[in-house]
Amino acid sequence: ETGVTQSPTHLIKTRGQQVTLRCSSQSGHNTVSWYQQALGQGPQFIFQYYREEENGRGNFPPRFSGLQFPNYSSELNVNALELDDSALYLCASSRGGSEADTQYFGPGTRLTVL
Amino acid sequence: KQEVTQIPAALSVPEGENLVLNCSFTDSAIYNLQWFRQDPGKGLTSLLLIQSSQREQTSGRLNASLDKSSGRSTLYIAASQPGDSATYLCAVSPGGYNKLIFGAGTRLAVHP
Repeated sequence: ETGVTQSPTHLIKTRGQQVTLRCSSQSGHNTVSWYQQALGQGPQFIFQYYREEENGRGNFPPRFSGLQFPNYSSELNVNALELDDSALYLCASSRGGSEADTQYFGPGTRLTVL
Repeated sequence: KQEVTQIPAALSVPEGENLVLNCSFTDSAIYNLQWFRQDPGKGLTSLLLIQSSQREQTSGRLNASLDKSSGRSTLYIAASQPGDSATYLCAVSPGGYNKLIFGAGTRLAVHP
């Protein structure tokens, strides 16, 4: 069973640019959640996709957007990058969108905004 | 608004010590609580998950307890080893849908 994978591993962008991060969910999982982890902090929930629909969103501005594809992989898009967007971005997949479904985390993408 | 706090923020101990890491949360209406391990710059590994109806869970040298009414959980690590060095994160699931609310973590260093 393949685990959750994320690409790229590292990324460097400049302020104002746009970035797309990718996540492949674990086999059999139809839900992907995205988290942002700033240095020295715990992860913060960005949003969740369940069967290609957004299923909940944290306190992030609209320039953070996402997609989920029919194979349940997902993308996180961030427009108009700001310095504070520098963080580790984690995705997690689960069998469903309910609180009963365990989330399995990928290794993360480290984004640096200069 | 649910807030999760972890104490201490950092801990350095000699090998062999028994440790207690603390987690508190402000809203007792949780579905479950999880403890994760995170190695530097890496993703999260789930260690223990306690359902809201449970009091504790054990896995090897790790034991986690949950007191939902007081909004507290502890992670007990027995006979610590250098390989236990990592950041330990506590997270609660508030229910409704599948999101986690994390504390800032406890950074543990176990030296030989």
